[in-house]
Amino acid sequence: GAVVSQHPSWVICKSGTSVKIECRSLDFQATTMFWYRQFPKQSLMLMATSNEGSKATYEQGVEKDKFLINHASLTLSTLTVTSAHPEDSSFYICSAAGAPKSYNEQFFGPGTRLTVL
Amino acid sequence: DAKTTQPNSMESNEEEPVHLPCNHSTISGTDYIHWYRQLPSQGPEYVIHGLTSNVNNRMASLAIAEDRKSSTLILHRATLRDAAVYYCILRDHPGNTPLVFGKGTRLSVIA
Repeated sequence: GAVVSQHPSWVICKSGTSVKIECRSLDFQATTMFWYRQFPKQSLMLMATSNEGSKATYEQGVEKDKFLINHASLTLSTLTVTSAHPEDSSFYICSAAGAPKSYNEQFFGPGTRLTVL
Repeated sequence: DAKTTQPNSMESNEEEPVHLPCNHSTISGTDYIHWYRQLPSQGPEYVIHGLTSNVNNRMASLAIAEDRKSSTLILHRATLRDAAVYYCILRDHPGNTPLVFGKGTRLSVIA
C-alpha cells in the first residue's frame, strides 16, 4: 500500500495560538486529501475534502476560517487550526486518494494528536 | 451513503476465527462494501472490499449475503494485533470520494 505521513504526530499548544499539521503522500500523487477529526471513544468525522490546486470543501458545521486547509501540491496538504481552544483538542487524521493507486483503497496518515491548554 | 449497523463490541480468543457482522439493508446496487480497521492511536487501514462475490486477501475474508443486505468480515485466526475498531462502510463511488465512518465494532482479543 501507499504511505501517508503526518507531522507532527502530537502537539501541545496554548489557547489562542495557531497550529499547522502537514499531511504528505510519500509514494504517489494525491489529487484529493481528506481531513478527519476524532474525539476520544468516538468515530472519525469528516471535516473537509481538498483537491489539489482548488479550495477545500468543508462539511456542515466545520468553520472554514478556523480550519484552514491548503493543498498546493500533489503530495502535501496542510491543516491549520487557527486560534485554537481547548475544545479543538482532538486526534486529526488525513487520508489521501489518487487514481489509479487508490481507486478502491484510501490511505490514511497515522494521525496528529492536538492538545490545547 | 447508505447506513450500516454493527455490534458495538465483540470479543475473541487468540488464534480462533472471528466473524464480524454488518447489516446494510438499504444498500444500493452500486454500493461497494468496504472494511477498514483502526488500531489504538493510529489512522485507519484498509482491510478488504467487495461488491457481490465473496473476497479473500491476506488479511481477511469478506462474505457477502446473496441479497447484499449484510456482510461478514472473517479473521481466520485472531491475534492480539488484530484488536482494533472495525468499520464497515458502504461507498457508491470508488476513487476520490470520502469514507464516511460509523461507530464500528471494537474487537478485543484475549490471550
